[in-house]
Amino acid sequence: ELKVEQNPLFLSMQEGKNYTIYCNYSTTSDRLYWYRQDPGKSLESLFVLLSNGAVKQEGRLMASLDTKARLSTLHITAAVHDLSATYFCAVGQETSGSRLTFGEGTQLTVNP
Amino acid sequence: DAGVIQSPRHEVTEMGQEVTLRCKPISGHNSLFWYRQTMMRGLELLIYFNNNVPIDDSGMPEDRFSAKMPNASFSTLKIQPSEPRDSAVYFCASRPQAREHYNEQFFGPGTRLTVL
Repeated sequence: ELKVEQNPLFLSMQEGKNYTIYCNYSTTSDRLYWYRQDPGKSLESLFVLLSNGAVKQEGRLMASLDTKARLSTLHITAAVHDLSATYFCAVGQETSGSRLTFGEGTQLTVNP
Repeated sequence: DAGVIQSPRHEVTEMGQEVTLRCKPISGHNSLFWYRQTMMRGLELLIYFNNNVPIDDSGMPEDRFSAKMPNASFSTLKIQPSEPRDSAVYFCASRPQAREHYNEQFFGPGTRLTVL
């Protein structure tokens, strides 16, 4: 059974600081996704990572994938308040078809 | 594109009542997913369909829950009878034609269900 674990689950940081959210998964995967959820809102797709060493960046967020370590990271650079949200990683496997397995989510709060 | 459409957005009902949640996927998407999100259990996949056919319903909590997809543009999730522990946000998501299997899922706005 595929398991996906994120850490930390809660992260409070100051504006301007850098931090990394980690996503570990238990079995071989061929794709990994990062989603953002604002309070009371839906999930929004941020990144799709498909191969070992893949790196994608959007603004102050950068995601990377290491399939050998079964690890993805979401790095936040010079955080701003607008980044406050819950971030989910989700892992898919070709053998499981369309389904994704989601991590527990990391609730990020960026304080002024 | 209107995105995934869910209705109602909020539902308050009393224990024992039947609840029906509705979802219209993005046109052209051939996979549809129903999720439930709670503080205690996080985001759980309940059931998903490919080409209107249920593929995996192992996440459906019990027989009180049922889901249908009569055509490519409509799905329902029904709870009968509802119980207070069913209170949650229910999301519907859809996914494009799996020519490339990595396509991500697109989520609807969710239905916030409260069972009193």
